[in-house]
Amino acid sequence: SQQGEEDPQALSIQEGENATMNCSYKTSINNLQWYRQNSGRGLVHLILIRSNEREKHSGRLRVTLDTSKKSSSLLITASRAADTASYFCATKIQGAQKLVFGQGTRLTINP
Amino acid sequence: DARVTQTPRHKVTEMGQEVTMRCQPILGHNTVFWYRQTMMQGLELLAYFRNRAPLDDSGMPKDRFSAEMPDATLATLKIQPSEPRDSAVYFCASGLVLRAESAEAFFGQGTRLTVV
Repeated sequence: SQQGEEDPQALSIQEGENATMNCSYKTSINNLQWYRQNSGRGLVHLILIRSNEREKHSGRLRVTLDTSKKSSSLLITASRAADTASYFCATKIQGAQKLVFGQGTRLTINP
Repeated sequence: DARVTQTPRHKVTEMGQEVTMRCQPILGHNTVFWYRQTMMQGLELLAYFRNRAPLDDSGMPKDRFSAEMPDATLATLKIQPSEPRDSAVYFCASGLVLRAESAEAFFGQGTRLTVV
């Protein structure tokens, strides 16, 4: 079964708006990562947040982590058409080296 | 520019045939992952290696799938015999894991497998 679950499964917004995606996970983690996948391509790493961090920024991306609720959110500000992709959270489970992915959120930015 | 290379990019094969997918991880990375992606199941971790040793292949059907790393520059995923339900995109990813930390995983472009 998947460790992480993204919400919503699909999101469609207008260019320039902000997009927020959420991820919930089940077990204790060392870190949580967000990836982007364009159609027909491999996944590309966006940002990593450690379990002792609460918020992290990278350009137009803002990630938060709430370990008490076992959840994370990814905010993309001032969205662009090029942000259209699927976004996945991935967790590294404590005590294991494997990276487990959620089902992803499919984001569509309408021009 | 360093990247994970997977071959072939596309493979169509008949049920019962053997399929071998290859991956060249990024030089210097010590961890290799194999994932399978389908619409229904999403991204499933099949197996992963650290310093060429298999650490976990519990996600892989043992009766028909096998994963190996003959050397640091090559990882292989083999299906024998293949079945239509194996149709999926198979991704290889590599990363550098130091101590208990895991850094980002770098993904290849995937092998799209169709078993007819």
